[in-house]
Amino acid sequence: DVKVTQSSRYLVKRTGEKVFLECVQDMDHENMFWYRQDPGLGLRLIYFSYDVKMKEKGDIPEGYSVSREKKERFSLILESASTNQTSMYLCASSSPAPAKNIQYFGAGTRLSVL
Amino acid sequence: AQKVTQAQTEISVVEKEDVTLDCVYETRDTTYYLFWYKQPPSGELVFLIRRNSFDEQNEISGRYSWNFQKSTSSFNFTITASQVVDSAVYFCALSELNYGGATNKLIFGTGTLLAVQP
Repeated sequence: DVKVTQSSRYLVKRTGEKVFLECVQDMDHENMFWYRQDPGLGLRLIYFSYDVKMKEKGDIPEGYSVSREKKERFSLILESASTNQTSMYLCASSSPAPAKNIQYFGAGTRLSVL
Repeated sequence: AQKVTQAQTEISVVEKEDVTLDCVYETRDTTYYLFWYKQPPSGELVFLIRRNSFDEQNEISGRYSWNFQKSTSSFNFTITASQVVDSAVYFCALSELNYGGATNKLIFGTGTLLAVQP
């Protein structure tokens, strides 16, 4: 089974802190994604990566950055956390082949910024 | 622009009732994929089904069935004889193929919260 692991289920941080959310997948997938989920808005793509050290902005990249130094690990960074970044963050990974493009998700990290 | 609409925000049914979750999509692509995911209270999105744009056959998996109609741009999901364990948020999603298909961004609907009462 595909396993996508997010390092924390719950995080509480203060405004202005630098926050790291970590995601690891064990399926040797090239593609990895970070989404945020908010009530009434569904899932929105923040950033994705299609290879090591490669990244692309999603629909809402402002206030976030990412790092992909190894194939299995994709980190989301909040440089200076703000209260409007309080949300559920979901990581996913997938194969690049169109016929294998199912995204598999982690359990999510619920981040509260106070 | 590509878009997925799930007009039903919340649905409440009593156990053993059948329930249909609606999904309408917009895309200019001729090749695309549609997905359904389930998000139980634990939070993890669980993949249920994928359908490509060339395959309009309906699919049945146990109590779950999916009806894909390109003519109406819909991909509806029916649960037959619902159970309490079906209570979850269900998301419909559309893939956007980039880089020659190498990257598959997903556009999600806003989700439908299904509550199955005992």
